[in-house]
Amino acid sequence: GAGVSQSPRYKVAKRGQDVALRCDPISGHVSLFWYQQALGQGPEFLTYFQNEAQLDKSGLPSDRFFAERPEGSVSTLKIQRTQQEDSAVYLCASSLGPDYSYEQYFGPGTRLTVT
Amino acid sequence: GESVGLHLPTLSVQEGDNSIINCAYSNSASDYFIWYKQESGKGPQFIIDIRSNMDKRQGQRVTVLLNKTVKHLSLQIAATQPGDSAVYFCAEIMNSGGYQKVTFGTGTKLQVIP
Repeated sequence: GAGVSQSPRYKVAKRGQDVALRCDPISGHVSLFWYQQALGQGPEFLTYFQNEAQLDKSGLPSDRFFAERPEGSVSTLKIQRTQQEDSAVYLCASSLGPDYSYEQYFGPGTRLTVT
Repeated sequence: GESVGLHLPTLSVQEGDNSIINCAYSNSASDYFIWYKQESGKGPQFIIDIRSNMDKRQGQRVTVLLNKTVKHLSLQIAATQPGDSAVYFCAEIMNSGGYQKVTFGTGTKLQVIP
């Protein structure tokens, strides 16, 4: 079956622009995670959804970052007024449910470059 | 594609030799530990996990060792192959408000020399 997909794969934005990154999790997966991965670093947690509920957004670096999952499947990570420090790979992962959150399947990521 | 492994510590190993990748973790309350493999342009891929009440677990060509006394994990890859070239991350898993939160450590880039 299909894995986690993300689009676009690459995004170049001018500083100050808004961007929207999409994640299509594995069908039926209840849990969805977003991570930010800077060059040469490990992924860092941004936010967690259980179905449509955003249960943890403690990792979002500023109020310019916003994530939603309105129907409990596809999720969008939005970054407003992008800054150069937002340049990173944004990874989405999904798992069957909260008891299986450690069994996360990752998408290929969206590489965001802010110029 | 972009280099996930830029600025990471690098381990170079001859094809066919065994590889040992080490990781120090910070939280003694972690329930699980996982090793992930990340190839350039891809997301992390699960390799093997180990519960905190174990000290060793073996998979196919891989073994994970856990030393809770010194908060140290290692991943051993037997008979390393060119396809093993990637960045390897250890991760700690802890229960956090009804779900299991994954915290990634610093990665190690494995280069297999043919």
